[in-house]
Amino acid sequence: GAGVSQSPSNKVTEKGKDVELRCDPISGHTALYWYRQRLGQGLEFLIYFQGNSAPDKSGLPSDRFSAERTGESVSTLTIQRTQQEDSAVYLCASSFWRVGDYEQYFGPGTRLTVT
Amino acid sequence: GIQVEQSPPDLILQEGANSTLRCNFSDSVNNLQWFHQNPWGQLINLFYIPSGTKQNGRLSATTVATERYSLLYISSSQTTDSGVYFCAVEPEYGNKLVFGAGTILRVKS
Repeated sequence: GAGVSQSPSNKVTEKGKDVELRCDPISGHTALYWYRQRLGQGLEFLIYFQGNSAPDKSGLPSDRFSAERTGESVSTLTIQRTQQEDSAVYLCASSFWRVGDYEQYFGPGTRLTVT
Repeated sequence: GIQVEQSPPDLILQEGANSTLRCNFSDSVNNLQWFHQNPWGQLINLFYIPSGTKQNGRLSATTVATERYSLLYISSSQTTDSGVYFCAVEPEYGNKLVFGAGTILRVKS
C-alpha cells in the first residue's frame, strides 16, 4: 500500500520568508509525528498528533513553528520568518499507536534550505 | 528524559564480514525500532522490536528489555548495507521516538 508522502521534496527559501510543508500519512494511522534532522545528526522530535487529542507540541523549537492536522489525514508544518538555523530535513511519520503496535513509518522528508 | 546510546559510532567492514551494533537505553520502553538511513536520506524500517528476537534475511535483532539494550546483527555484509543505522525508542509513558546518534557503516568491496 501507499506509504507516508511529503511535499515538496526540496524547498529553498530566503531568510525571513514563511514556508509550509505537507505530510500525507498512511491511511488508517491515527498518530502523526514531525521530526527534524540537521546535517549529520540524529532526528529530533517536533510535534505529535493523536486522533482528536490535543497535540504534543513539546518539541517545537520556537513560536515560529506551528503545525495543524485535519482529522486523521493531512498535516502541515509551518515555519514563519525562516532563519538559517532552520535548514534541515523535516520528516513526517505515522503509526497506529495502539497497544502492541507502536511502529512508526517515515516519509522521504522535505529538505529545507534557508539562504 | 530517556537516553539512547549507540555503539560503535563508526564501522568499516570488508564485504562478507559480520557485525554487531548495540543500542543501550535508560528507561522502560513501549517501542524500539532499528532503521537504516540510505544515502538518499530515506529511513527504512528494519525491525520493530521492543522485546525478543527477530530475523529478516541477513539481518537479525535482539532486545533484552529487562537489561535495556538491543543488538542488531548484520551477517555477510554487502556494499548496499552502507549507510547510517539508527536505534530509536519510545518511552513507556511517552509518545515520540527518541533517536540515538547512529552508527555509520561503510562496507568495502
